[in-house]
Amino acid sequence: KAGVTQTPRYLIKTRGQQVTLSCSPISGHRSVSWYQQTPGQGLQFLFEYFSETQRNKGNFPGRFSGRQFSNSRSEMNVSTLELGDSALYLCASSLTGSAGNQPQHFGDGTRLSIL
Amino acid sequence: DQQVKQNSPSLSVQEGRISILNCDYTNSMFDYFLWYKKYPAEGPTFLISISSIKDKNEDGRFTVFLNKSAKHLSLHIVPSQPGDSAVYFCAASRQLDMRFGAGTRLTVKP
Repeated sequence: KAGVTQTPRYLIKTRGQQVTLSCSPISGHRSVSWYQQTPGQGLQFLFEYFSETQRNKGNFPGRFSGRQFSNSRSEMNVSTLELGDSALYLCASSLTGSAGNQPQHFGDGTRLSIL
Repeated sequence: DQQVKQNSPSLSVQEGRISILNCDYTNSMFDYFLWYKKYPAEGPTFLISISSIKDKNEDGRFTVFLNKSAKHLSLHIVPSQPGDSAVYFCAASRQLDMRFGAGTRLTVKP
């Protein structure tokens, strides 16, 4: 069974640009969550999508947005990039998401560096 | 607002000994707790979980203990192996809200 796939693995952008990250969940998983990981901060929750609807959202500015397609694939977009957006962005999928008390399965992440 | 805290950023143990990783949470409404392991350049991998109706869950060398009155969670690894060297994250959830700790880097020395 293929795992969670995130593309690209590495990305370098400059301040003010925008970026789109992609996540393909495990087949059959309908929930996709996005997290930002920075040193010393652990995993900060961005948002969760379930059946193409945003079900939950963390405390991030509106520059961070996402969407989910009918095949459960998800994209995350960050506009007007700032230096502080440099981080590892992780995507996780599960059958029912955090509503179902099930573990999430993570991709290997996209390392975003802002110059 | 850190509702889940891992106060030890790092831990070093000798191979064959016990590793104990600790996690504290502040929200008594959390009802499901998990531990993840993360190697460099890889995403976190689910390790073990426990529901709030239990106080212990065991899976091979890994045991998770939950003390609800103290709002404390711990992961015991016995015996520790060099391959266990990684960053360990604890997580707590309730319905649609899942929070992660900042992680503890475990180093197991041969």
